Amino acid sequence: KAGVTQTPRYLIKTRGQQVTLSCSPISGHRSVSWYQQTPGQGLQFLFEYFSETQRNKGNFPGRFSGRQFSNSRSEMNVSTLELGDSALYLCASSTGQDQETQYFGPGTRLLVL
Amino acid sequence: GDSVTQMEGPVTLSEEAFLTINCTYTATGYPSLFWYVQYPGEGLQLLLKATKADDKGSNKGFEATYRKETTSFHLEKGSVQVSDSAVYFCALSANYKLTFGKGTLLTVNP
Repeated sequence: KAGVTQTPRYLIKTRGQQVTLSCSPISGHRSVSWYQQTPGQGLQFLFEYFSETQRNKGNFPGRFSGRQFSNSRSEMNVSTLELGDSALYLCASSTGQDQETQYFGPGTRLLVL
Repeated sequence: GDSVTQMEGPVTLSEEAFLTINCTYTATGYPSLFWYVQYPGEGLQLLLKATKADDKGSNKGFEATYRKETTSFHLEKGSVQVSDSAVYFCALSANYKLTFGKGTLLTVNP
């Protein structure tokens, strides 16, 4: 079974631009979660989607948004990029039951200049 | 809110040494507990998990026991190998999200 895939793997943007990251979950998984990883703040939860509905959201500004499609694929968008948004963005999928194991993709590394 | 505290390291060991990475948590309910490992340039890989008190998770020689009385989930391995060099994250799961510790960098020298 194929794992979680994320595209693109690397991105370079400039301040003020917006960016969209994509995540395809493991086949049969209906939950997708997003996390931001930085050296200073570590791994922080952004949001989680199940059947196209956001069930939980982390403490991030409204510039960070996401959505999930009917095929469970998910996208996250960051508008008006700031230097501090430079990070590794990780997507994880699971069956959708609370506390089930989440399986992670390789991440998208975003650099904001 | 929920939180996880783990020793940040870095930890440097010789091959075949004993490893312990401490992890404690604070949670309002009864979370599941996980250890994930991250190799350079990669995402997180599940190492082991435990879903209730006194459960022991194990994988690849690593073990951790869910201790509710001490709110701990310490990671141990009896004999580390060079290939175990990585960053290890302790995490708890509740309300459809993972809360992570800061991570512990482990380096194993031959």
